[in-house]
Amino acid sequence: SFVLTQPPSVSVAPGKTARVSCGGSNIGSEGVHWYQQRPGEAPVLVISDNSDRPSGIPERFSGSKSGNTATLTISRVEAGDEADYYCQVWDSSSDHIVFGTGTKVTVL
Amino acid sequence: QVQLVESGGGVVQPGGSLRLSCAASGFIFSNYAMHWVRQAPGKGLEWVSFIRYDASTQYYADSVKGRFTISRDNSKNTVYLQMNSLRTDDTAIYYCAKDFLGTYPPDYFDMWGQGTMVTVSS
Repeated sequence: SFVLTQPPSVSVAPGKTARVSCGGSNIGSEGVHWYQQRPGEAPVLVISDNSDRPSGIPERFSGSKSGNTATLTISRVEAGDEADYYCQVWDSSSDHIVFGTGTKVTVL
Repeated sequence: QVQLVESGGGVVQPGGSLRLSCAASGFIFSNYAMHWVRQAPGKGLEWVSFIRYDASTQYYADSVKGRFTISRDNSKNTVYLQMNSLRTDDTAIYYCAKDFLGTYPPDYFDMWGQGTMVTVSS
């Protein structure tokens, strides 16, 4: 199965915009999903199928994909957005689910 | 209330076995595929296994294939993970997670349990 590469960390000031990238060789053909994991908690789905936002997730969270890179964007960042974020795809060539390496978003 | 509750974690010696359970409520369990995902201390998420809504298909991560077995009992709204030949690098929080769909291909996880800790140590 292929590797999904994310930056280890992203720092952002409150009220600004955070962008988390997720790159992989076959990502262009797959739907990309994003999870937020606050310390000590289970992950929560924040974006599905590249850009769909589940009910209950603030509109400040959005997703996009271009070529082999997907991006999670958090607008007007708040202190409560500080968490680890993971991208995820289904790798049809290996019948495996693959998670990205994870990005710690720190609110300054 | 939609809920997944894991149980069965604990401390086990290398080479030992453990069976995890995940009880589901608040949705029609028999309609959905289920997964196990784990997270070693201080590490990222690692997918472990998938089972289709009718248990007809299972997939495993390479790291657990041949040692772990996923199963489900739709009459009890429960999914299981039988873990044999445990190794120290199996130490992790194990989460069960509901798939958005029931069949193939696996999709995304729209609900997670709170996890159960498995520690493999002598």
